[in-house]
Amino acid sequence: GAGVSQSPSNKVTEKGKDVELRCDPISGHTALYWYRQRLGQGLEFLIYFQGNSAPDKSGLPSDRFSAERTGESVSTLTIQRTQQEDSAVYLCASSLVSGLRENGYTFGSGTRLTVV
Amino acid sequence: DAKTTQPPSMDCAEGRAANLPCNHSTISGNEYVYWYRQIHSQGPQYIIHGLKNNETNEMASLIITEDRKSSTLILPHATLRDTAVYYCIVRANDMRFGAGTRLTVKP
Repeated sequence: GAGVSQSPSNKVTEKGKDVELRCDPISGHTALYWYRQRLGQGLEFLIYFQGNSAPDKSGLPSDRFSAERTGESVSTLTIQRTQQEDSAVYLCASSLVSGLRENGYTFGSGTRLTVV
Repeated sequence: DAKTTQPPSMDCAEGRAANLPCNHSTISGNEYVYWYRQIHSQGPQYIIHGLKNNETNEMASLIITEDRKSSTLILPHATLRDTAVYYCIVRANDMRFGAGTRLTVKP
């Protein structure tokens, strides 16, 4: 597609339920990031995928959070047993990394998650 | 650890140049400097990036000091729509954002 697509755009869930957020990167983009942004705060790095390399999971806040990506396609971020502090906008970004030439990242519009 | 330091906020008069500084004193030789901005309620938007030469595009100019320890993003004629949080990022294998600079363009 023309841009990074995230779904759903909004999600309201009950505390304790599991949620799955989806990111469709720009076709051919090898790098994919997930970020979390709580209301009024900055972007918090969660996880980074680069091609077939092992993902950098160092930003995941707890073992309730996990993410998967198959090859260079869709990624899903799963939050198990959601808590109210998980309420935030979850942003996905992708980029084409080609050799030494660094390209900018394109962000999706995010998924606004509200845990009630 | 975002590896960059930016002032938390700045004001600029509409029509004037906005000069946003960023310190990145621990930058490595192969790390690029990226600038993004985030307008309220939207996803971050790429502005410009550079390695050591100054760069210019339709949105902004990027001035990188010779020692690469700091840079300045220049919006030559700021408009009200440029009001946003501006992030300076040193790219390594991941892209971690700091708190950025909240730029307010005033009429």
